[in-house]
Amino acid sequence: DTGVSQDPRHKITKRGQNVTFRCDPISEHNRLYWYRQTLGQGPEFLTYFQNEAQLEKSRLLSDRFSAERPKGSFSTLEIQRTEQGDSAMYLCASSPFTGLMNTEAFFGQGTRLTVV
Amino acid sequence: AQTVTQSQPEMSVQEAETVTLSCTYDTSESDYYLFWYKQPPSRQMILVIRQEAYKQQNATENRFSVNFQKAAKSFSLKISDSQLGDAAMYFCAYRPTGANSKLTFGKGITLSVRP
Repeated sequence: DTGVSQDPRHKITKRGQNVTFRCDPISEHNRLYWYRQTLGQGPEFLTYFQNEAQLEKSRLLSDRFSAERPKGSFSTLEIQRTEQGDSAMYLCASSPFTGLMNTEAFFGQGTRLTVV
Repeated sequence: AQTVTQSQPEMSVQEAETVTLSCTYDTSESDYYLFWYKQPPSRQMILVIRQEAYKQQNATENRFSVNFQKAAKSFSLKISDSQLGDAAMYFCAYRPTGANSKLTFGKGITLSVRP
């Protein structure tokens, strides 16, 4: 499977615990995005990387959230001291970007986080 | 800031019939991209169709077509000959041109297809 892969697919955690999600983009894609989708809403942008550089972070990304893409390949999204309001689907997407052409993003299946 | 509005939370269509999903958006940009994404239950979001704002011709992809009205900032999706596999959530999304490639999504619409 050469699509965007996310792990785990589901995560249940107790309030106050830390969680980490992983995203493996399509191999030749240099851009990687994280979105959050709550029930009944569309995905909301969190952050994105070009190669290993984090180029933009949304105001939705509080200090408890951190994302990395250390080698410009896979990315991790960590949430510290989880709160019930963090319960959502976390979507990863990737796209190629050459500076001349900006194509559509391809999405993974998401990680569904439930904070109890 | 750009906003995307999908005011219909749910729609239903009979198999083989045609359905139109509505979307409006707000932007001060003159050039941008608009998308319709499909999200089946428990499956990943996939691109259905894309429209460049500078193109006057409406995009079509097989049974899917759009009605792009730039002045009205309206971007509706028409699904012809609806199939059971079309049942999903559909999201309208906006993206500016240039280096910034993040998407702004609407709330989505749940489409059900009656056999």
